[in-house]
Amino acid sequence: KQEVTQIPAALSVPEGENLVLNCSFTDSAIYNLQWFRQDPGKGLTSLLLIQSSQREQTSGRLNASLDKSSGRSTLYIAASQPGDSATYLCATSQTSGSRLTFGEGTQLTVNP
Amino acid sequence: NAGVTQTPKFRILKIGQSMTLQCAQDMNHNYMYWYRQDPGMGLKLIYYSVGAGITDKGEVPNGYNVSRSTTEDFPLRLELAAPSQTSVYFCASSFQGLGTGELFFGEGSRLTVL
Repeated sequence: KQEVTQIPAALSVPEGENLVLNCSFTDSAIYNLQWFRQDPGKGLTSLLLIQSSQREQTSGRLNASLDKSSGRSTLYIAASQPGDSATYLCATSQTSGSRLTFGEGTQLTVNP
Repeated sequence: NAGVTQTPKFRILKIGQSMTLQCAQDMNHNYMYWYRQDPGMGLKLIYYSVGAGITDKGEVPNGYNVSRSTTEDFPLRLELAAPSQTSVYFCASSFQGLGTGELFFGEGSRLTVL
């Protein structure tokens, strides 16, 4: 059974800092991995989706990498801003048609 | 630009009561999902649907029922509410199938069972 872990559970950084959020998974035979953002009291917003054949995906200041062999993905946020404050969750699917397994999320606070 | 709309946003139930959480999407997605999120936990899939008239159980279906009579709507029914069903419920939809495409989420329905 796939297990997805995100450490740390919470992270606080000063504005402008580059930061990395971590996601680990136990079964490396994934179909894809997704990163989501969740604002307080809101639903999840999809940020990046990495297929198993890809090494990374980029969107603006966000870059997600995938290393299947080590069971890890990282979300890199460049030049962080207070507006980046949110909870970030990662999720994997094992095959096309399988349900997503979510991590517990990392709560990020960017201080002005 | 509605996307996925959930109602109600908040609800308090007494043990044993029943209710329906409504979900509607206007993106013509075939795939729809119900998740629950408990504090400090990841999301767990309750039920999902691959199209009108077709539903299937997820990880945690006990105590819930769903129906999918139209492409747009996917209501979640709670029968005989229990304190263990206190949670935030999210409806989502996608153009591509389970686990393959981008998910679009509603803003959630916070349910408390006392």
